[in-house]
Amino acid sequence: DAMVIQNPRYQVTQFGKPVTLSCSQTLNHNVMYWYQQKSSQAPKLLFHYYDKDFNNEADTPDNFQSRRPNTSFCFLDIRSPGLGDTAMYLCATSREGGNSPLHFGNGTRLTVT
Amino acid sequence: RKEVEQDPGPFNVPEGATVAFNCTYSNSASQSFFWYRQDCRKEPKLLMSVYSSGNEDGRFTAQLNRASQYISLLIRDSKLSDSATYLCVVNRGGYQKVTFGTGTKLQVIP
Repeated sequence: DAMVIQNPRYQVTQFGKPVTLSCSQTLNHNVMYWYQQKSSQAPKLLFHYYDKDFNNEADTPDNFQSRRPNTSFCFLDIRSPGLGDTAMYLCATSREGGNSPLHFGNGTRLTVT
Repeated sequence: RKEVEQDPGPFNVPEGATVAFNCTYSNSASQSFFWYRQDCRKEPKLLMSVYSSGNEDGRFTAQLNRASQYISLLIRDSKLSDSATYLCVVNRGGYQKVTFGTGTKLQVIP
């Protein structure tokens, strides 16, 4: 089945220790997104790619970076995680059309200690 | 005013009950609408798209009211397995203009 896969499912890192989360997709969608979701809150968009074009949300901290080496893969790098970065990180894809829904990966639950 | 608003609940309903959620949106130019279901500590999963004419999928019915700028989700004959948070998603046009509501929590009780 075509899908969006995130690794790892769970990640524990220490305060300030860099961490990379990965996302792969077999849907061949142009658009890939990274969302941060904290407990009882809506997913918050960090950034997205349209093909290789990168779009950063204005309020995404500089601490968060992303790479998309090809259509299938996208990475989220957190350079110096803080305690407040503990959250679920969700990767999603969509086709470029405005009526296309988002397809989410299974998420990575990050805990910063 | 938030761009997309939902009553956070929780809605506690007995098995077999009918329950309805509304979601209001502020931007009249919004173009497409979706309901997602999110289980605790899991990713959101697409439940249904919402079409102008309304649409039904089994026990679930979605409606769009453009004049009043809200969408609704009706669940008939609630099952225990329907317990989850239901997220309303509004797209203002284009892949970058997607906004999530904070979700409505549903708890179906035996």
